[in-house]
Amino acid sequence: DTAVSQTPKYLVTQMGNDKSIKCEQNLGHDTMYWYKQDSKKFLKIMFSYNNKELIINETVPNRFSPKSPDKAHLNLHINSLELGDSAVYFCASSHPWRGGDAMNTEAFFGQGTRLTVV
Amino acid sequence: KQEVTQIPAALSVPEGENLVLNCSFTDSAIYNLQWFRQDPGKGLTSLLLIQSSQREQTSGRLNASLDKSSGRSTLYIAASQPGDSATYLCAVTVRGTYKYIFGTGTRLKVLA
Repeated sequence: DTAVSQTPKYLVTQMGNDKSIKCEQNLGHDTMYWYKQDSKKFLKIMFSYNNKELIINETVPNRFSPKSPDKAHLNLHINSLELGDSAVYFCASSHPWRGGDAMNTEAFFGQGTRLTVV
Repeated sequence: KQEVTQIPAALSVPEGENLVLNCSFTDSAIYNLQWFRQDPGKGLTSLLLIQSSQREQTSGRLNASLDKSSGRSTLYIAASQPGDSATYLCAVTVRGTYKYIFGTGTRLKVLA
């Protein structure tokens, strides 16, 4: 059973297009995240959601819009794709942060979506 | 601002060696530290989570320690195997931030 699953695994698209990446977790977690891994393999937070509410938007361009229809899903929609958006995008989940504290929380990551903009 | 650094950036060892990977963080006010491995083209696999009140965790041939006061964690891999070849990442959580801050990673290659 896959704990955190993302679709699609690979996405090749032209500049200017709009695309979505879906994420689902079956761990019963309340908190979900999107991370971006750049060409140097560095992982950086994009968004954090806690109980379907946006908690963090780490200076991500407005072209990126996350949506959480329920606690088990966090999708990422990207408008007007640019060459610089090419990267691997990871979804993750964990137990909830209480009052901003991540006590005893373990993060679980999906397999990633490799986005290539041409 | 929390910064996480991992040394060395890359490591190549013969099979059977015991090895140590290092993770340093600038803000000692962390809550958890988690070690992951990432195989090429794959996602992140959680290896060990050290809670703020703990000093170490063990899983099989892996042992991770945490010294918050000095801002350091080490991942010890005993009797390394070619299957251990991967990139190892550490990540910390800081109060009020709702995010895991990742290190720069150590790329490990274990030679048969």
